[in-house]
Amino acid sequence: AQKITQTQPGMFVQEKEAVTLDCTYDTSDPSYGLFWYKQPSSGEMIFLIYQGSYDQQNATEGRYSLNFQKARKSANLVISASQLGDSAMYFCAMREVDSSYKLIFGSGTRLLVRP
Amino acid sequence: GAVVSQHPSRVICKSGTSVKIECRSLDFQATTMFWYRQFPKKSLMLMATSNEGSKATYEQGVEKDKFLINHASLTLSTLTVTSAHPEDSSFYICSARATGTGRGQETQYFGPGTRLLVL
Repeated sequence: AQKITQTQPGMFVQEKEAVTLDCTYDTSDPSYGLFWYKQPSSGEMIFLIYQGSYDQQNATEGRYSLNFQKARKSANLVISASQLGDSAMYFCAMREVDSSYKLIFGSGTRLLVRP
Repeated sequence: GAVVSQHPSRVICKSGTSVKIECRSLDFQATTMFWYRQFPKKSLMLMATSNEGSKATYEQGVEKDKFLINHASLTLSTLTVTSAHPEDSSFYICSARATGTGRGQETQYFGPGTRLLVL
């Protein structure tokens, strides 16, 4: 069975500093996709970044980068130069490899950026 | 990025009534849409997978007759909470998977969610 684990229920970071949000996953299938979403207090889920299991390089999208360590089955999100607007819940998710394309979500990490 | 809308954004209804929530992909076609439920301070729980032109696939423990899903077109899926009860109060959020090839195929875009309160 596939599983996503986020061990940090809450994190603090000082504005303008970098922060790493942890995510580990468990799957026996060689083909999978990993996602990070941001959920502000408004509730909307905002897609941040995607990493495919066969991608050779770590994904980057602006201030977001994904530290993909396949052997360790980890897909940590790195946010550089934190901004106050980054305060939100962050969810790591994995796409199931069958044709359903379902996403399995981790429990989330609440990030608070301090001014 | 792709835009997914949900309507209504919040609804309050009396116990026993039915509530319909719409999920629309505004600028792309989505053969597959997903319905999630989220309790306060919890993660998203997948309820069902909605496929255009066919019956929805429900996750274990989700009542099919309680949560009716219709995916009538490539841009619209609806979730109807029938005979709603206070325990159905929750945040319901849909997502749509973009069709086609390329990296965009891998991405699910989420709607803004619907807050349901059943009195």
